[in-house]
Amino acid sequence: GEDVEQSLFLSVREGDSSVINCTYTDSSSTYLYWYKQEPGAGLQLLTYIFSNMDMKQDQRLTVLLNKKDKHLSLRIADTQTGDSAIYFCAESPANTDKLIFGTGTRLQVFP
Amino acid sequence: DAGVTQSPTHLIKTRGQQVTLRCSPKSGHDTVSWYQQALGQGPQFIFQYYEEEERQRGNFPDRFSGHQFPNYSSELNVNALLLGDSALYLCASSAGQGRTNEKLFFGSGTQLSVL
Repeated sequence: GEDVEQSLFLSVREGDSSVINCTYTDSSSTYLYWYKQEPGAGLQLLTYIFSNMDMKQDQRLTVLLNKKDKHLSLRIADTQTGDSAIYFCAESPANTDKLIFGTGTRLQVFP
Repeated sequence: DAGVTQSPTHLIKTRGQQVTLRCSPKSGHDTVSWYQQALGQGPQFIFQYYEEEERQRGNFPDRFSGHQFPNYSSELNVNALLLGDSALYLCASSAGQGRTNEKLFFGSGTQLSVL
């Protein structure tokens, strides 16, 4: 089946690292994505990882993929107040262009 | 370079009415996908249009239909509105069909409220 799960809420202090976790079900997914949504805005693609990779780093963002456990995580280093938003994990099953999104994790950064 | 633009930004309708939402893709993009995002949920795929035809469809009833024009812009139509259709409707565009999700750009959405 198609199901992507995320924890609903994460609160961190400014300057700390944030880790947002996600589990997915479709092992055929070739790409896995992290999107950011700020209030009143659409979705912004933060980063994505190809399924044959274990890790991808892009400036403050680090994505870890455990394909065996179907677990994906996003680490944000030196979290800033501007990082406060909802973060969505998404998978893209094989032979389809659609994205399957999780319910989103609301990240709150406090001073 | 304008990104994906959607209109209107907000809309209020009553049950049983029909609604049309519009989307202009990012310049250079020819594929448009529509998603429904209910409050507190992640977006759900409705359908995708490419070369003026519906290419893929999610688990949405026939009340949801669409159209793509020769200039690649698209419309989403919803008939016989239900209260449960209240949501943020997101349009996304990409260049070419197939494995293009890494180049998927989303608009800011149309917030539809059904009373």
